[in-house]
Amino acid sequence: KNEVEQSPQNLTAQEGEFITINCSYSVGISALHWLQQHPGGGIVSLFMLSSGKKKHGRLIATINIQEKHSSLHITASHPRDSAVYICAVRGNTDKLIFGTGTRLQVFP
Amino acid sequence: EAGVAQSPRYKIIEKRQSVAFWCNPISGHATLYWYQQILGQGPKLLIQFQNNGVVDDSQLPKDRFSAERLKGVDSTLKIQPAKLEDSAVYLCASSWDYSYNEQFFGPGTRLTVL
Repeated sequence: KNEVEQSPQNLTAQEGEFITINCSYSVGISALHWLQQHPGGGIVSLFMLSSGKKKHGRLIATINIQEKHSSLHITASHPRDSAVYICAVRGNTDKLIFGTGTRLQVFP
Repeated sequence: EAGVAQSPRYKIIEKRQSVAFWCNPISGHATLYWYQQILGQGPKLLIQFQNNGVVDDSQLPKDRFSAERLKGVDSTLKIQPAKLEDSAVYLCASSWDYSYNEQFFGPGTRLTVL
């Protein structure tokens, strides 16, 4: 079993829909990252959080430390949101442990 | 500020050939990471540098992979000889320091081994 599990693996949505991507982890962490990877490989950091909730534009990330769970929400989704979203946790060794990603496709 | 630069962006080689990738981190970032991302998987850390010293290379296949960061700035990752299973995207990332800091990723180099 992977230390970081994401669901769903693949997600399709119509433009404007509210999207939720989930991440569960089984190790102690100091921080959790949400990353966005577009075709071509480049990765952009969206959020780094260790408690509570963060919001940036249409993106919201929440984390529940007790339940070892985080969610990434996208409100009013748009085709340009189509990408792979990766959850990564920073464990006690300071190493990042990555999930396998959620592939999101938003259709007009 | 300029981001993490990597070159080349794409490389196609035949098995048993050699290949080298280059990374220039964000100016002032002490920590540099090389990751391997196989299609459909999350990135896997190959090696982590703190300035010009190696912090972690536990998952680097040292029989064929090598990396250096001689002056504590830019870095090269080499594969010699390449195998089919080395086909992947090689990502470089940097951060101010290794602890509790956000990593900034480069665009990656997509390697195809035929």
